[in-house]
Amino acid sequence: QKEVEQNSGPLSVPEGAIASLNCTYSDRGSQSFFWYRQYSGKSPELIMFIYSNGDKEDGRFTAQLNKASQYVSLLIRDSQPSDSATYLCAVDMRFGAGTRLTVKP
Amino acid sequence: DAGVIQSPRHEVTEMGQEVTLRCKPISGHDYLFWYRQTMMRGLELLIYFNNNVPIDDSGMPEDRFSAKMPNASFSTLKIQPSEPRDSAVYFCASRRTGGYNQPQHFGDGTRLSIL
Repeated sequence: QKEVEQNSGPLSVPEGAIASLNCTYSDRGSQSFFWYRQYSGKSPELIMFIYSNGDKEDGRFTAQLNKASQYVSLLIRDSQPSDSATYLCAVDMRFGAGTRLTVKP
Repeated sequence: DAGVIQSPRHEVTEMGQEVTLRCKPISGHDYLFWYRQTMMRGLELLIYFNNNVPIDDSGMPEDRFSAKMPNASFSTLKIQPSEPRDSAVYFCASRRTGGYNQPQHFGDGTRLSIL
């Protein structure tokens, strides 16, 4: 069974802090890695994708991939209350359970 | 471009009734996915199609569930007979064929309640 695991949370950070979200996966042959954000009552929306080892930065978001450790992470810098949502890690077409993030003003 | 369109948005029905969920993928997308989301189990992949052909249905929970894709612009997920434990949000997603950076695009979901 191909599994995607995320730190369960919930995670609470103050406004302006760095939020760190983690994800591990079981299938060593996995090729594509995505982070989605899901607001309550809404559908998942893509934040970032990464497919090679290392870091990828997009604005306040940085995705990190380590295929040897089967580990993906997402860092959110200068967190804003509008970042409060559930963050879903997707490996190929399978999703983790999500981590709920709350950014407190 | 229009996004993935799902209908109905909400469905409330009694146990034992047949339920049909519908999805129209984004034009030009070759892959279509059906997911189910619950608090307990998160976002589960039920089945996916490539070029209208079912590729992996190992996530379909029971024989009560069936999915079809008669053409490139329409898919259905049917539950017959429905049970209260089928209550969940069902998402349809589509993506185009391509490299590893092709994300899935989700519809707004169908919130299903079985009484």
